[in-house]
Amino acid sequence: KQEVTQIPAALSVPEGENLVLNCSFTDSAIYNLQWFRQDPGKGLTSLLLIQSSQREQTSGRLNASLDKSSGRSTLYIAASQPGDSATYLCAVDDYKLSFGAGTTVTVRA
Amino acid sequence: NAGVTQTPKFQVLKTGQSMTLQCAQDMNHEYMSWYRQDPGMGLRLIHYSVGAGITDQGEVPNGYNVSRSTTEDFPLRLLSAAPSQTSVYFCASSYGTGGTLVTGELFFGEGSRLTVL
Repeated sequence: KQEVTQIPAALSVPEGENLVLNCSFTDSAIYNLQWFRQDPGKGLTSLLLIQSSQREQTSGRLNASLDKSSGRSTLYIAASQPGDSATYLCAVDDYKLSFGAGTTVTVRA
Repeated sequence: NAGVTQTPKFQVLKTGQSMTLQCAQDMNHEYMSWYRQDPGMGLRLIHYSVGAGITDQGEVPNGYNVSRSTTEDFPLRLLSAAPSQTSVYFCASSYGTGGTLVTGELFFGEGSRLTVL
């Protein structure tokens, strides 16, 4: 059974600092990995989708890397802003999606 | 663009009552799914569908039924509500790759917050 872990559970940084969010998974036989953002009381919004054949994906200030052999993905958010405050979840697709519990980020102005 | 629409947004039930959570998408997605989100546990898959007439169980299917009579709609039925079913329920859809479970970018509804007393 795929296990997805996100550490830390919460993170607080000053505005302008780069954010590094971690996601680890136990079974490397995956089709893709997605990173999502969830605002309080809202649904999830897909940020980046990395196919198993890719090493990274970039969108604006966001960059996600994937290392299947070590079972890890990292989401980098450059020059954080207060608007980046949210919970970030990763999900691994190995025929069924498995989600991590998320990392709640607070960016202090 | 409506995307994925869930109704109701909030619901309070008494133990033993039944109800249906509605989910509709207007993106012609083949893959639709239901998740529940509980504090500290991430999202857990309840049921999913890869196309009209095809459904399957996820990780936590007990106490829930689904059907998929059209591409657009994927209702989730609670047969006899229990306090353990108090949760936030999310419906999600994606293009998928017809007939398989490999999903593309996943689109979520806003959630339905259910309390069972």
